[in-house]
Amino acid sequence: DVKVTQSSRYLVKRTGEKVFLECVQDMDHENMFWYRQDPGLGLRLIYFSYDVKMKEKGDIPEGYSVSREKKERFSLILESASTNQTSMYLCASNPGTRQETQYFGPGTRLLVL
Amino acid sequence: ILNVEQSPQSLHVQEGDSTNFTCSFPSSNFYALHWYRWETAKSPEALFVMTLNGDEKKKGRISATLNTKEGYSYLYIKGSQPEDSATYLCAFTDYKLSFGAGTTVTVRA
Repeated sequence: DVKVTQSSRYLVKRTGEKVFLECVQDMDHENMFWYRQDPGLGLRLIYFSYDVKMKEKGDIPEGYSVSREKKERFSLILESASTNQTSMYLCASNPGTRQETQYFGPGTRLLVL
Repeated sequence: ILNVEQSPQSLHVQEGDSTNFTCSFPSSNFYALHWYRWETAKSPEALFVMTLNGDEKKKGRISATLNTKEGYSYLYIKGSQPEDSATYLCAFTDYKLSFGAGTTVTVRA
């Protein structure tokens, strides 16, 4: 079974803090994704990566950056957290094209005070 | 603006009853339609991937149909059980995956 893990289930941070969300997958997938999910909205793509050190902006990249130094690990960075970044963050991976089935982690619920 | 619409946003079903809900998507540049189930405190998991107009998929008591010409898919749950309580997400793919906001199903015992 594909396993995608995220470093924290819940996080509370203060405005202005630098926040790291980590995601690890164990199935050697090329593609990894970061989404956020807010009530009434679909999952919105923040960034994705199709190879080590390769990244591409998604629909809502502002205020975020990412890092993929190893194939299995994809980090989402909030350089200076703001209250409007309070959300559920989901990581996903898949082995083929970006349109194919994605395998998700359990999510990190981030609260920025 | 979401180009993938799911309705209703939520519904409550009595145990044993059947239910269905809709995903609407653009009918142009269609590649695939995905359904995911997202249970509370768990990861979203893939239910179905459908690519052909008229496709029907089934997994236990859950089934889905696809109409690419008119841009909709239905998900059906037959004889709902409490373990079916979850948010059901659909995702449309053209050159990327676009998710709807989900339909949250609560099955009352």
